[in-house]
Amino acid sequence: AQKITQTQPGMFVQEKEAVTLDCTYDTSDQSYGLFWYKQPSSGEMIFLIYQGSYDEQNATEGRYSLNFQKARKSANLVISASQLGDSAMYFCAMREGRRYSSASKIIFGSGTRLSIRP
Amino acid sequence: EAGVAQSPRYKIIEKRQSVAFWCNPISGHATLYWYQQILGQGPKLLIQFQNNGVVDDSQLPKDRFSAERLKGVDSTLKIQPAKLEDSAVYLCASSLALVGYEQYFGPGTRLTVT
Repeated sequence: AQKITQTQPGMFVQEKEAVTLDCTYDTSDQSYGLFWYKQPSSGEMIFLIYQGSYDEQNATEGRYSLNFQKARKSANLVISASQLGDSAMYFCAMREGRRYSSASKIIFGSGTRLSIRP
Repeated sequence: EAGVAQSPRYKIIEKRQSVAFWCNPISGHATLYWYQQILGQGPKLLIQFQNNGVVDDSQLPKDRFSAERLKGVDSTLKIQPAKLEDSAVYLCASSLALVGYEQYFGPGTRLTVT
């Protein structure tokens, strides 16, 4: 069965340090996608980064990179040079099924609350 | 470009009452999603529309929840009658039909059932 696990309920990091948020997943599909969303206290979910199961290179978007280890079924988010504005909930999510398919399902992990100390 | 709009932002009702939420997706987005996010948890998909057709409603409690997307644009989600465990944030998201992996979320409606 499709499952996403985020084992860190909360993390504290000093400003300007790098931080890694853990995510492991379980799926029997060969074709799937993994993404990360940020949810500030305002409540809106903000898309950060996407990694397809067949993508050979790790995805990067500015200060965000996804450390994709397919054999370990992990998709950790790395934030470089953290900023105070990075304080938020972070959710890992997985899309099972073919990309661009409207029938593909998405499930979310339970989230990690990241707090950046000045 | 305007984002996903939702209303109301907050709603407090008593159990057994009914409530409705409204969502207007980003213009041109064919796929619309409703999620329920209980405090301390990740969002759970309730229903997914492609244009005005339902693609997935397997996790929608159909005895009390209903949703429609008339004309394939905006959508309403209704709860009738509400239970205490329905207290949550209800998030609406939309995506382009051909870029289904990236969803854009609205600000959500926080429902409190007393």
